[in-house]
Amino acid sequence: QTVVTQEPSLSVSPGGTVTLTCGLSSGSVSTDHYPSWYQQTPGQAPRTLIYSTDTRSSGVSDRFSGSILGNKAALTITGAQAVDESDYYCALYMNNGIWVIGGGTKLTVL
Amino acid sequence: EVQLLESGGGLVQPGGSLRVSCAASGFIFSSCAMSWVRQAPGKGLEWVSTISGSGGDTFYAESVRGRFTTSRDNSKNTVYLQINSLRAEDTAVYYCAKVRNPRILYPVDYWGQGTLVTVSS
Repeated sequence: QTVVTQEPSLSVSPGGTVTLTCGLSSGSVSTDHYPSWYQQTPGQAPRTLIYSTDTRSSGVSDRFSGSILGNKAALTITGAQAVDESDYYCALYMNNGIWVIGGGTKLTVL
Repeated sequence: EVQLLESGGGLVQPGGSLRVSCAASGFIFSSCAMSWVRQAPGKGLEWVSTISGSGGDTFYAESVRGRFTTSRDNSKNTVYLQINSLRAEDTAVYYCAKVRNPRILYPVDYWGQGTLVTVSS
């Protein structure tokens, strides 16, 4: 069974830069997986940040950027702010309408 | 403005059934695939199912295949998730979401606020 891996938790200082990654239990992540990223604050519905590796969803700040780094997808947040403190989930497209979501990264801004 | 409003959640006994609904507005519903994603209390997101715009194609996560059925009524701009043989581990907030790419039926770009399904005796 395919497992999408993410760091359980990360921290960043206000104004700093942090990179979250998204890997596969076996194999490499590529653009063919159309990596997407979602942000969720406690008690709220998720919000789509990035799709197709590096395309920002409507209204998303350019402080958020997506890429492929090595064999993983990555979400980089620059100029971190207190409002960025959230859970972040990545998802990868497998095939035939099937996609898998990672376990999420809890980002702390302190 | 895209709006997705789930309903139908509630408390159900183990082994029971429930149908949750998602009413959509603000886009051409019949042209868009729709997905269901759930989140157990204190846990992460889990993709559950996707249905194509026509309703002719449906896809399910292994964990729910055979017990969950997704359908849609394009005349009512509504998508449904029928959940049968409910188990405690099905307790979760169920989100519906609009799919952005109709070719690969992924990813999702808009989310509803979710409806809570609780399975308990």
